[in-house]
Amino acid sequence: GAGVSQSPSNKVTEKGKDVELRCDPISGHTALYWYRQSLGQGLEFLIYFQGNSAPDKSGLPSDRFSAERTGGSVSTLTIQRTQQEDSAVYLCASSMTGRGTEAFFGQGTRLTVV
Amino acid sequence: SQQGEEDPQALSIQEGENATMNCSYKTSINNLQWYRQNSGRGLVHLILIRSNEREKHSGRLRVTLDTSKKSSSLLITASRAADTASYFCATVSDYKLSFGAGTTVTVRA
Repeated sequence: GAGVSQSPSNKVTEKGKDVELRCDPISGHTALYWYRQSLGQGLEFLIYFQGNSAPDKSGLPSDRFSAERTGGSVSTLTIQRTQQEDSAVYLCASSMTGRGTEAFFGQGTRLTVV
Repeated sequence: SQQGEEDPQALSIQEGENATMNCSYKTSINNLQWYRQNSGRGLVHLILIRSNEREKHSGRLRVTLDTSKKSSSLLITASRAADTASYFCATVSDYKLSFGAGTTVTVRA
């Protein structure tokens, strides 16, 4: 595609519900990143996928968070039993190789847990 | 974890002036990148400087890198209102892209 696409743009959910956030990377990009950004803060690394290698999940804040990438393309970030502190903008990025190349970001999903 | 730390946290300048922001980091890097973010959404890549480079230019942007001091600076010359944004440095070690907290730049007309 033309750029990284994330959906939905905004999501309001009730505390305790599960949510799924979707990321469509640029076609041909082997690397995919998920970050979380709280209001006025920097980007917190969550997870990294590279080709068929095992993902780096070291940034996932708790076992309520999981992500998968199907067929080396689309990725879904799932948050189970959402808490108010999960409210943030979730950003996805892809890059050609992931080895220090430029990352292209989607517009993010703004998650609000009420 | 956040690797880079930007300084200052916020900067307000008059249109036409130059804006300088700094980034310090802790561990060895492959390269360092600068990104811009408007309105708290997607980031846009500005410039990449490799660990064996000391200075790089792109249009009105000038980036320096001092690996001995583990620091980088971003200079925006002749600023415009459209440069109002948050600027982040990102260090690259192996594959991991780690971002600092950013510098918020406001350009006054």
